[in-house]
Amino acid sequence: EADIYQTPRYLVIGTGKKITLECSQTMGHDKMYWYQQDPGMELHLIHYSYGVNSTEKGDLSSESTVSRIRTEHFPLTLESARPSHTSQYLCASMAGTSGNHEQYFGPGTRLTVT
Amino acid sequence: DAKTTQPPSMDCAEGRAANLPCNHSTISGNEYVYWYRQIHSQGPQYIIHGLKNNETNEMASLIITEDRKSSTLILPHATLRDTAVYYCIVRVMSGTASKLTFGTGTRLQVTL
Repeated sequence: EADIYQTPRYLVIGTGKKITLECSQTMGHDKMYWYQQDPGMELHLIHYSYGVNSTEKGDLSSESTVSRIRTEHFPLTLESARPSHTSQYLCASMAGTSGNHEQYFGPGTRLTVT
Repeated sequence: DAKTTQPPSMDCAEGRAANLPCNHSTISGNEYVYWYRQIHSQGPQYIIHGLKNNETNEMASLIITEDRKSSTLILPHATLRDTAVYYCIVRVMSGTASKLTFGTGTRLQVTL
């Protein structure tokens, strides 16, 4: 079983608020990822990290930011939430060792901005 | 990354084998074929991967053609819990290239 956690699972918040979506994993994985998925649509990679103090933007442009101060923790922040940010956000991790091929996903955070 | 093509949807009767095809005609020699599935907006779940040889695990079998331009994921005895969107992804998985690009996948509906 994958040990990757996301909180909150559901969040309804007003426009203009600052929010942080939490993601943590207890597997010691070096690589972590954030995906965004609208209902019934494709997953899009928005951020990734290959280790502490390493973060990169993904394939889909996002107004969110991330940080990686600790191996196990990869939070995503929106400074000023807007209705266009309404979506599901999925966090994933993968071991950094060569030959490892599996990404483990968290349960997701469903964000609604009113 | 090599582009993949999958049918948008498929049906399968419970207890029968589900055969999900994927075309990846531009695959490179060092690219793996990965299969993930996503059940009703949960986080995707890894199923299986392969490079050249056919692979089998407790969940499924992966058949890759000799020219590697297509593959088939086989769920040998589909159950209702296998209803999900199945993604075929082709990717080099090493170093900084360890990113997955999910397409639209195949929506598999398992019926009684």
